[in-house]
This record gives sequence, structure tokens and C-alpha cells, in this order.
Amino acid sequence: QKEVEQDPGPLSVPEGAIVSLNCTYSNSAFQYFMWYRQYSRKGPELLMYTYSSGNKEDGRFTAQVDKSSKYISLFIRDSQPSDSATYLCAMSESGGGADGLTFGKGTHLIIQP
Amino acid sequence: KAGVTQTPRYLIKTRGQQVTLSCSPISGHRSVSWYQQTPGQGLQFLFEYFSETQRNKGNFPGRFSGRQFSNSRSEMNVSTLELGDSALYLCASSLYRESDEQFFGPGTRLTVL
Repeated sequence: QKEVEQDPGPLSVPEGAIVSLNCTYSNSAFQYFMWYRQYSRKGPELLMYTYSSGNKEDGRFTAQVDKSSKYISLFIRDSQPSDSATYLCAMSESGGGADGLTFGKGTHLIIQP
Repeated sequence: KAGVTQTPRYLIKTRGQQVTLSCSPISGHRSVSWYQQTPGQGLQFLFEYFSETQRNKGNFPGRFSGRQFSNSRSEMNVSTLELGDSALYLCASSLYRESDEQFFGPGTRLTVL
């Protein structure tokens, strides 16, 4: 069983829809959870950084963490074609470079105009 | 503030050669981590440097090494290149080692022929 599971997609939705992206994990020691967005042939861009369970909102993005279920989500409201990219979840015990980030394989998202 | 920069952006090498990649972190950031991204394995942690010392290492062979200079700039070296080393090599920096966001550079795409 992989440490972090993420559906690779592709996930195709119409413009303006609400998008839900998810990851499950097995290591209960993970305390910090991140979402990165990666466009083709670019480096990952940090979208959300959260600690422990709960919700965090930033503009059109909402991150949710449920540590009891070992399940994290990213919601994108009013999706735009420019949101088309690969979304990577990442997590770690210490929250920085100290123990390295463990990534999901990424979900390829397509927003249809 | 300038982001993480990596040079070169593209490299083509042949099997058996060695290669050195360079990373300049965000100004003031002292923790530098390296990751390998391939289609099959996704993003995997290579190692982390802080205060010119390797603090943590992922599950990669000894052919992969690195160093960090007093100005926090970092290099990674891969010796005796194999075809399977073809990948996008990403550098990430953070201000602190723990409880801090990691920001990625654009990566160096290495092709081994």
C-alpha cells in the first residue's frame, strides 16, 4: 500500500463547476498537509498549507483535512480554464524540509471552456 | 522577492557520465531540499541541506549526492548516470526546517541517452 493515494484522473469538468480533489494516506504521524499545482513542464506551485485537522480557505480554494479518516481534500470554486493543471497533495510530519515531503502522484484536472 | 532558481533548465547526458545541477534558494531561506520527479514514481525526496550539512536523505543510491554553500546555494551531483535517472529534478527552499512552507523552483530536466 502506497503511503499517499491520489486518483490520477484525468478529471474533466465544465467551467464554473466546483472541483473536488482528494488524497488518502496511511501514516498517522503526518501533521502538515499541502496542495501544489503544477503546469506542464513547470515546477510545483504551493496553493495551500495546513496543519492538523480542519478547514482553510484562500480565495476560490478550500482545503480540508480529516486526520481521523486520513483523508484530505481541495475544493476549487468557480473553476476557470486556467485552473487546468496537475494537482499534487503532499504531507509531512514536521512541515518543512526536515523530513521531506511525501507526495501523491497527482490528479490531472481539465476545465472545459 | 525572486523565487527559487535552478540551472541549467535542460541537460542531455549519456550513460556513465556525471552531472551537476545548481539551485539558488529564495533570499534568506536556509533549508534546501531536492526531489526527483518521474512519470512512474512521481515526486520523491532526495535529500535536505541546512547550514551546509545534509540533514536528511531519501531512499536513493549513493550515486546521488549534494552539497550546500555558506550562501545557502546548493548543488546536487549524480555520478555514473543510468537511463533511469532521466527525470525532472526539483529544488525547494524554506526559511526554517520545520513548520514552514516549501517553495519549488522550475526544475532541471535531465535526459540520459
